Parts: sequence; structure tokens; C-alpha cells
Amino acid sequence: GENVEQHPSTLSVQEGDSAVIKCTYSDSASNYFPWYKQELGKGPQLIIDIRSNVGEKKDQRIAVTLNKTAKHFSLHITETQPEDSAVYFCAASGFAGNQFYFGTGTSLTVIP
Amino acid sequence: EAQVTQNPRYLITVTGKKLTVTCSQNMNHEYMSWYRQDPGLGLRQIYYSMNVEVTDKGDVPEGYKVSRKEKRNFPLILESPSPNQTSLYFCASAPSRVYGYTFGSGTRLTVV
Repeated sequence: GENVEQHPSTLSVQEGDSAVIKCTYSDSASNYFPWYKQELGKGPQLIIDIRSNVGEKKDQRIAVTLNKTAKHFSLHITETQPEDSAVYFCAASGFAGNQFYFGTGTSLTVIP
Repeated sequence: EAQVTQNPRYLITVTGKKLTVTCSQNMNHEYMSWYRQDPGLGLRQIYYSMNVEVTDKGDVPEGYKVSRKEKRNFPLILESPSPNQTSLYFCASAPSRVYGYTFGSGTRLTVV
């Protein structure tokens, strides 16, 4: 099955700086790549996703890039704010399999 | 409000005492899934269901059962819980497996 690796496991940035979280996947048939934000005591929430026919997608301060050749995708958060502090998960899925596969998570701390 | 509802939120039980965690969604989603979340291991899929009466094992199905008799409900059953099933459990649903999940709020299970 698919193997999704996520780095770094923890990340601290100063408020206003950018944060980048990277994921790699193993199954070239995967074609859907969502990102989730999990705040303390809550379930993960979808924040952005990208499909394999697109290289980059933006939504305000959040962007995701996908490199299918290298089999990696990244989450970029610009102008970070304290409310961005949370655990972020990447995931991969595709028509070749029936499962979603998650990375192990990145704990982001934005220091005011 | 579109949501996934899990119950209970917290549960402490003893080894071997059968329990059921309920999950219900009101979005008419085809795909439903159960995950467990453990520190350092991220989200691991226990079981998933592509539609009514169609279920399949995820990566960590041992010790768990599920059923999907109705589209909206997907209960997780632990026939004989053991301490290694102490974890945070999430139910999630999606229109299909190439769309983002909506997660429930989680069930914190402790088996003593």
C-alpha cells in the first residue's frame, strides 16, 4: 500500500514568518492530496487539497504544491499567526486503492 | 449543520467488556472510515466502508468490527477490548475516497 512520510515532526516559527511542511508518497497511482489541521481537542479539519492534474493551489495564506515526478507535496503557510498553531497532517489517496493514507503529523507553533 | 457525530466522547472500560462507539453522518456520504490516533503514529485506518453493506479492513483492523447497515451509520465494535486499544478514535466520512473527509470530534477510549 501507500506510504506517506511527513517532515518535520515539530516546527516553531515567529509570527509573520512562513512555515513549510513537506510530505512524500510512494504510490505513483495516488492522485488526491489533502491537508488537515487539528486543533487541541478537536478532529482534523480539511484546509486545502490538490489533485494530480494541478501543480499548485492557493487559498489566501495557504498554498499547496505538488511534484508528481518526485512524489512529494508541500504545505506553505505565509504570514503565520498564533491561531495557525496546531497539528497538520498530509494524506494521499487514489483510484488504485481504497484507502486514505496519512502522514504522522507536524506540530506547528507560532510564537507571538 | 453538516457533521459527523460520534458518541461517546470519553469512555473508560475494563478489559474484555464489549463496547460500541457510534458514528452518524448527515451528508449522505458514500465513504465512511474509522481511524485511531496515537502519539507519534499519526492517524491509522481501522476499517472503511465504500457504501451500505460494503466494508473492508484498513491497516490496523485486529480486535475491531464494523457494520454498515444504513448509509448514515457506521458503528465501531470492540468485542473484547484490551489495554493496547486505549487510543483516540475518529470517525470520518467523505463523498468518495478522492474527496476530503469530514471528521467527528473523537472518542477518547481508555481500557484498564
